[in-house]
Amino acid sequence: QVQLEQSGAEVRKPGASVKVSCKVSGYKLSELHMHWVRQAPGRSLEWMGSFDPEHGETHYAEKLQGRLTMTEDTAADAAYMELNGLRSEDTAIYYCAAGHDSWGSFIYWGHGTLVTASS
Amino acid sequence: DIQLTQSPSFLSASVGDRVTITCRAGQGISSYLAWYQQEPGKAPKLLIHGASTLQSGVPSRFSGSGSGTEFTLTISSLQPEDFATYYCQQLSSYPRTFGQGTKLQIK
Repeated sequence: QVQLEQSGAEVRKPGASVKVSCKVSGYKLSELHMHWVRQAPGRSLEWMGSFDPEHGETHYAEKLQGRLTMTEDTAADAAYMELNGLRSEDTAIYYCAAGHDSWGSFIYWGHGTLVTASS
Repeated sequence: DIQLTQSPSFLSASVGDRVTITCRAGQGISSYLAWYQQEPGKAPKLLIHGASTLQSGVPSRFSGSGSGTEFTLTISSLQPEDFATYYCQQLSSYPRTFGQGTKLQIK
């Protein structure tokens, strides 16, 4: 059974950085496509970025380019999402998601991490 | 970017009803469409991938159809636990856009 366990809620001042972790169990991280999705209060889901291990490529949402970094520690089966230069509009629940099917579906989801950017 | 437009945005229905949600893509995406269900306060859950393939463990009252630019999610007989928000997502190209969501409420 694949599980994604995320780190706890974070509060940061505008301009600061935040790093959220996602620990994978039940599957090898190196064989999963990892994704990050966020959801601002009362809003729809917003795709942030994806890592394709087969091609070694990371894709980021254009609006987050330059502020978002996705990394992995395959030895620890943990993925990380770091967002710099936080703004109030970055306040959201951040989800890690993963999959391994040919469609690229987001099969497994973490429980979400609330990140609040507020002075 | 490929835009996805869901309709309706809100839907009121009763237990036992048959409901259909539509997702239209701004350009052809073959069958690279997934549907997710999100209950309040919870992470999304994959229901359907490849436009019409039911994810393992999802009840058979859920079904998906379509290809190209028009897709539908149908729930054949609503159960109390189905009242949630539903999202479509295209997996044809980056960015992996989501629809704006359809909130299914009890009438």
